[in-house]
Amino acid sequence: QQQVKQSPQSLIVQKGGISIINCAYENTAFDYFPWYQQFPGKGPALLIAIRPDVSEKKEGRFTISFNKSAKQFSLHIMDSQPGDSATYFCAASNSGGYQKVTFGTGTKLQVIP
Amino acid sequence: EAGVVQSPRYKIIEKKQPVAFWCNPISGHNTLYWYLQNLGQGPELLIRYENEEAVDDSQLPKDRFSAERLKGVDSTLKIQPAELGDSAVYLCASSRSGRSSYNEQFFGPGTRLTVL
Repeated sequence: QQQVKQSPQSLIVQKGGISIINCAYENTAFDYFPWYQQFPGKGPALLIAIRPDVSEKKEGRFTISFNKSAKQFSLHIMDSQPGDSATYFCAASNSGGYQKVTFGTGTKLQVIP
Repeated sequence: EAGVVQSPRYKIIEKKQPVAFWCNPISGHNTLYWYLQNLGQGPELLIRYENEEAVDDSQLPKDRFSAERLKGVDSTLKIQPAELGDSAVYLCASSRSGRSSYNEQFFGPGTRLTVL
């Protein structure tokens, strides 16, 4: 059962544009939503994360928007750069007790000059 | 601070052969995870250790997969015998322990397994 749905599967954006990746979850027990960035040949690395008590979190060019009622969250990459080209995974977890992370299927982002 | 170390980085074997992957977590991280990542998919948890105890192995195919973390530090994941469908990237991750908040998982580079 896929508990975190991610779209699109792939995304091509011009340099300087905005990249938007969307995710939806089903399990209301999730209360922590990290995004991971993975470059080819590397393991995923935590990029930014949000808890559902806030609707938005911004770190530099990366922003998470969170809609608790809709059970949806999204990653916005402002001023996208070729160095942002990677695969992005949204994920969901509970923050207490046994923290099992459920990952989305990933979005391959290509930023073209 | 050294990251999570995995070896080998690549492994090609014939089907029905055994294979083993090794992971050394970040120093001080008591929790260790093994994930399976199929091409174009997100990581899926195989097993999680708290020190030397496997606290979640519900997704580990126990007929052919086994894992150990004997001294609560390094870990080995084994497949015997390997099948064509086992071709994937095997990721190891580690994190600090604690139930008060989310503990960030740090991933190694993975071992890419190809079964011919």
